[in-house]
Amino acid sequence: AQSVTQLGSHVSVSEGALVLLRCNYSSSVPPYLFWYVQYPNQGLQLLLKYTSAATLVKGINGFEAEFKKSETSFHLTKPSAHMSDAAEYFCAVSVYGGSNYKLTFGKGTLLTVNP
Amino acid sequence: GAVVSQHPSRVICKSGTSVKIECRSLDFQATTMFWYRQFPKQSLMLMATSNEGSKATYEQGVEKDKFLINHASLTLSTLTVTSAHPEDSSFYICSARGRKAGSGANVLTFGAGSRLTVL
Repeated sequence: AQSVTQLGSHVSVSEGALVLLRCNYSSSVPPYLFWYVQYPNQGLQLLLKYTSAATLVKGINGFEAEFKKSETSFHLTKPSAHMSDAAEYFCAVSVYGGSNYKLTFGKGTLLTVNP
Repeated sequence: GAVVSQHPSRVICKSGTSVKIECRSLDFQATTMFWYRQFPKQSLMLMATSNEGSKATYEQGVEKDKFLINHASLTLSTLTVTSAHPEDSSFYICSARGRKAGSGANVLTFGAGSRLTVL
């Protein structure tokens, strides 16, 4: 079975500062990895995904993540935080299971951006 | 992009009644739909997976007689919470997986969620 651990349930940064949200995964087979963002009372929006191609993945809104197999990590970064980045972020892992791809989510990291 | 519409966004009901939540894929055919439950400030927990025309596969610990899932067409899946109780109050989110017409690209898109409050 696969799992995801997000280190830090709450991260606070200043506007313009580097954003780093940590995610470590566990999987017995090569995984697909995802980062999603959730704004209050809304569904999830895909930021980026790793599907065994390039290890450095660029997503929307200036976010990127690097797959590091040796560290079993998939940390999310953004060079300069904007106020609009304040939201809950979920890392997720998926492996092929039959005809479906099930996503297993981490517990989420709440990002707050201070002016 | 691929769009999933989930309705209603908010619903309040009395204890003992049943509530139906709809999840529609608007511009692609959803061969698989996933239903999640999210408690406040917690992650999404997969409840069940449904393939069009087949019975849903429920995750361990999810009562299939309480959470009825129907996926009768390639664009619609419904989750019915039967005999709802206050402990069923939660945020329910669907996601749909399929292929976009034309490009044939695989898509996986989430609905906006439905907040259920049982009084």
